[in-house]
Amino acid sequence: NAGVTQTPKFRVLKTGQSMTLLCAQDMNHEYMYWYRQDPGMGLRLIHYSVGEGTTAKGEVPDGYNVSRLKKQNFLLGLESAAPSQTSVYFCASVWGEGYEQYFGPGTRLTVT
Amino acid sequence: GESVGLHLPTLSVQEGDNSIINCAYSNSASDYFIWYKQESGKGPQFIIDIRSNMDKRQGQRVTVLLNKTVKHLSLQIAATQPGDSAVYFCAGASGGYQKVTFGTGTKLQVIP
Repeated sequence: NAGVTQTPKFRVLKTGQSMTLLCAQDMNHEYMYWYRQDPGMGLRLIHYSVGEGTTAKGEVPDGYNVSRLKKQNFLLGLESAAPSQTSVYFCASVWGEGYEQYFGPGTRLTVT
Repeated sequence: GESVGLHLPTLSVQEGDNSIINCAYSNSASDYFIWYKQESGKGPQFIIDIRSNMDKRQGQRVTVLLNKTVKHLSLQIAATQPGDSAVYFCAGASGGYQKVTFGTGTKLQVIP
């Protein structure tokens, strides 16, 4: 099993550009999450999904959209990137409550 | 929403000693509390979780204590090793694992 993978690993965008971050898991997990991590701060939940075809807002959803068309994939979109979105983005997945949550290696995004 | 915070930003411990990392939370509705370890440049790694109706749970070299009266969570690491050096996060989960929110983290430094 590859676990949780994220694409790309690094990206530099200019303000106003758009992009999509891909998260894939091969563990048949129901729940998937997108977080951002800024220096000196914990992870903040952007959006999450409790199953294929469902999404919900987390703490900091503004400026981001997500889709979960397939159970194994969770996409995070930035329609018009802003410098405030410079961060490290982590995807995670879990089978359900009481099970171990797995994280991907992260995507480092810089918006200039 | 959930507010999860940590008492100390940095903790230095002598190799072989026990480490105690503390966390305070505000949302009494959390179903689970989870501890994660994050090494530099990597995604968080699940250590142990505890259900909200429990007081204590033990794992390999780690023990989590939950005091619901004062809304306090702690992680105890026995016989701390250099490989334990990392940032440790606590998190609260509501709706089972549907929504997981993190604290800011404590950096554990192990002195050889």
